[in-house]
Amino acid sequence: DVKVTQSSRYLVKRTGEKVFLECVQDMDHENMFWYRQDPGLGLRLIYFSYDVKMKEKGDIPEGYSVSREKKERFSLILESASTNQTSMYLCASSRTGLWGYTFGSGTRLTVV
Amino acid sequence: SQELEQSPQSLIVQEGKNLTINCTSSKTLYGLYWYKQKYGEGLIFLMMLQKGGEEKSHEKITAKLDEKKQQSSLHITASQPSHAGIYLCGADTGNQFYFGTGTSLTVIP
Repeated sequence: DVKVTQSSRYLVKRTGEKVFLECVQDMDHENMFWYRQDPGLGLRLIYFSYDVKMKEKGDIPEGYSVSREKKERFSLILESASTNQTSMYLCASSRTGLWGYTFGSGTRLTVV
Repeated sequence: SQELEQSPQSLIVQEGKNLTINCTSSKTLYGLYWYKQKYGEGLIFLMMLQKGGEEKSHEKITAKLDEKKQQSSLHITASQPSHAGIYLCGADTGNQFYFGTGTSLTVIP
């Protein structure tokens, strides 16, 4: 059974902290994505990666960075967390081509 | 810009009623995906449609893609409380993947 695993379901961090969100997939997928989901705004793409050590900015990369040192792992980094980064964060992976995305179960991050 | 228009934004139905959710694009779609999300959780893949006129069913959920491959509908027959959640369409336009804004479905017992 294919799986995308996000390390935390719920996370509470303080303003200014550096935050790491981890995502691991076991399907040998080339592509990995980080989205945030907010009410009324839908899913917004933060960063994505088509290969190891490769990253591309999505629609809202400001305040975030990513790391993909290994094919199965894609990390989202909030350099200095702010309250407007309180959101649901979803990681997804896909094989190149029309295969759709497989999503993790999400991390609900609250920045106080 | 919103590439995928999804409607309605929210839906409240009584258990046992049928309902339809629509997803419309201005571009031809190479693949249309339906996902369901239970509140506070990740997205679960439901169905993928690729060919114009294609229709797929799983239990009481049927999805169709129109002949022009620009509109898809998701139909639930005899809704149950277990159908409640957020339904999202996702589409591959050939060079990018887009998501609709989602439809929140509440089923009242």
